[in-house]
Amino acid sequence: RKEVEQDPGPFNVPEGATVAFNCTYSNSASQSFFWYRQDCRKEPKLLMSVYSSGNEDGRFTAQLNRASQYISLLIRDSKLSDSATYLCVSDSSYKLIFGSGTRLLVRP
Amino acid sequence: SAVISQKPSRDICQRGTSLTIQCQVDSQVTMMFWYRQQPGQSLTLIATANQGSEATYESGFVIDKFPISRPNLTFSTLTVSNMSPEDSSIYLCSAMRQGRITEAFFGQGTRLTVV
Repeated sequence: RKEVEQDPGPFNVPEGATVAFNCTYSNSASQSFFWYRQDCRKEPKLLMSVYSSGNEDGRFTAQLNRASQYISLLIRDSKLSDSATYLCVSDSSYKLIFGSGTRLLVRP
Repeated sequence: SAVISQKPSRDICQRGTSLTIQCQVDSQVTMMFWYRQQPGQSLTLIATANQGSEATYESGFVIDKFPISRPNLTFSTLTVSNMSPEDSSIYLCSAMRQGRITEAFFGQGTRLTVV
């Protein structure tokens, strides 16, 4: 079983839609969690850190459920520029473990 | 944030040769890492580059194949040795600065093709 698992998608949504990605992790000792965004042929870039019960940043909301070892990312009012791969990441002893990524395609 | 310069950005190499990738961070960071990302796949951690000592390798990666140096807090190299076509991949350098919030930053990546 992979340490961090994600639905690979792709999620194909119209502009303005709300879309949610889910992620599960297997290492209960993991302390920190992140969502990274990776555009085609580019390096990953930090989108949000997820701590305690979750946090919000503009159109993006991340939630963490430690009991279920589950993390989510909600994107409201999707923009064309949100099209990318979203990587769920856990921090285990200061090593980042990446999920396989979820592809999002936002269409006009 | 930290700015990471990685070079070369891409290379095409003959099998059996070696390539050294360099990673320079613009400020002192606590930890540096090397990842591999194969086409359509996510990132796989190769090793943690330790300053002044041998790198810590993940399962499936060995020092003879991927020697790593980190002579100071802002610079590291990864060598891909005795390359074969299976080594064709993107190699990414990452740096982490630990504090109240731990964040990791990535270099632009090195796209390696072995022919």
